[in-house]
Amino acid sequence: QKEVEQNSGPLSVPEGAIASLNCTYSDRGSQSFFWYRQYSGKSPELIMFIYSNGDKEDGRFTAQLNKASQYVSLLIRDSQPSDSATYLCAVNSGNTPLVFGKGTRLSVIA
Amino acid sequence: EPEVTQTPSHQVTQMGQEVILRCVPISNHLYFYWYRQILGQKVEFLVSFYNNEISEKSEIFDDQFSVERPDGSNFTLKIRSTKLEDSAMYFCASNRVSNQPQHFGDGTRLSIL
Repeated sequence: QKEVEQNSGPLSVPEGAIASLNCTYSDRGSQSFFWYRQYSGKSPELIMFIYSNGDKEDGRFTAQLNKASQYVSLLIRDSQPSDSATYLCAVNSGNTPLVFGKGTRLSVIA
Repeated sequence: EPEVTQTPSHQVTQMGQEVILRCVPISNHLYFYWYRQILGQKVEFLVSFYNNEISEKSEIFDDQFSVERPDGSNFTLKIRSTKLEDSAMYFCASNRVSNQPQHFGDGTRLSIL
């Protein structure tokens, strides 16, 4: 059974701080790693994706992947109240379906 | 920017009735997916579809479920005899290449009474 684990939170950070969200996965064959943002009652919105070990930066977001430790993280710099949402980690292997974690609820306090 | 569109946004149906949820994937995408999310739970895979046939399905996708691509643009999910536990948000997603990010529609909230 392929599993993706996330701390459910809530993770509370003050406005302007760095939010760090973590995810571990069970399938060592996983190749593609995605972070989606989901506002309450809305659909998942793609934030970042990463395929190779190391860091990938896009604006205020940085995804980090460590395949040896089966660990993916998302850093959000200069957190804003509008970043308050649930962040979903999702993983797949080539053409297999996405396996989602339960998500981490982030609350950015103004 | 191209979007995945889903209709209806909310469907209320009596238990035992059939429902059809509709999706229009992004036009140059080749792979299509249905996921569901029961309130407060994780997003779960139902079925994937490529080249006019099911490529993979989960244990959830039993004989009550079917998918179809009736024309060049629509992708539908049918639930033949709905149960209370089918109440959930249903998301359609698509991508052009199977290992690329999947883009999600806004979802259909299905409420079974």
